[in-house]
Amino acid sequence: AQSVTQLGSHVSVSEGALVLLRCNYSSSVPPYLFWYVQYPNQGLQLLLKYTSAATLVKGINGFEAEFKKSETSFHLTKPSAHMSDAAEYFCAVSVWTGFQKLVFGTGTRLLVSP
Amino acid sequence: SAVISQKPSRDICQRGTSLTIQCQVDSQVTMMFWYRQQPGQSLTLIATANQGSEATYESGFVIDKFPISRPNLTFSTLTVSNLSPEDSSIYLCSVGGSKGKETQYFGPGTRLLVL
Repeated sequence: AQSVTQLGSHVSVSEGALVLLRCNYSSSVPPYLFWYVQYPNQGLQLLLKYTSAATLVKGINGFEAEFKKSETSFHLTKPSAHMSDAAEYFCAVSVWTGFQKLVFGTGTRLLVSP
Repeated sequence: SAVISQKPSRDICQRGTSLTIQCQVDSQVTMMFWYRQQPGQSLTLIATANQGSEATYESGFVIDKFPISRPNLTFSTLTVSNLSPEDSSIYLCSVGGSKGKETQYFGPGTRLLVL
């Protein structure tokens, strides 16, 4: 069965510092991988996705993620954090089961201090 | 990406009552999904709703508790029946996930508090 593990329920960084949110997946078939962001009192917004093309994926708001098959990882990074990046981030894996079923990680709350 | 709206955005309900949540999309879509996000937790898929067929429920979710309608390609409803405080959650609908449209896009969610 497919699963996602997000290390760290909370990550704190200073404004301007590197953001690194970790995601490891388990899948018996080549996965599609997604990062979503949820701002307070809002739904989920797609940040970026990996669908077996380029292993380095660039998303919105300066975020990017690298698919590493050997490490079964899909970590999310941003070179310089902004206060507006404070939110909950979810990694998800999807596998075709007649449709693309999403399995979410437990989420990581990013805290950005001035 | 599709524009998705949900009604109501939030509600407070009494134990034993029901709440029906509407999900409207600005374009025709094959697949719609309903998720539950319990307080401080991740998202769990409740069911998949295809137009013209019965909804497919995930393990742990049953039709009597979460009846779903999908009358056309732009609209779906989720009813949460016989409410208890444990049903207090955010309920989100999403679209996408079909062949060639692998990405799912989410609505803003409905925040339900059961007293």
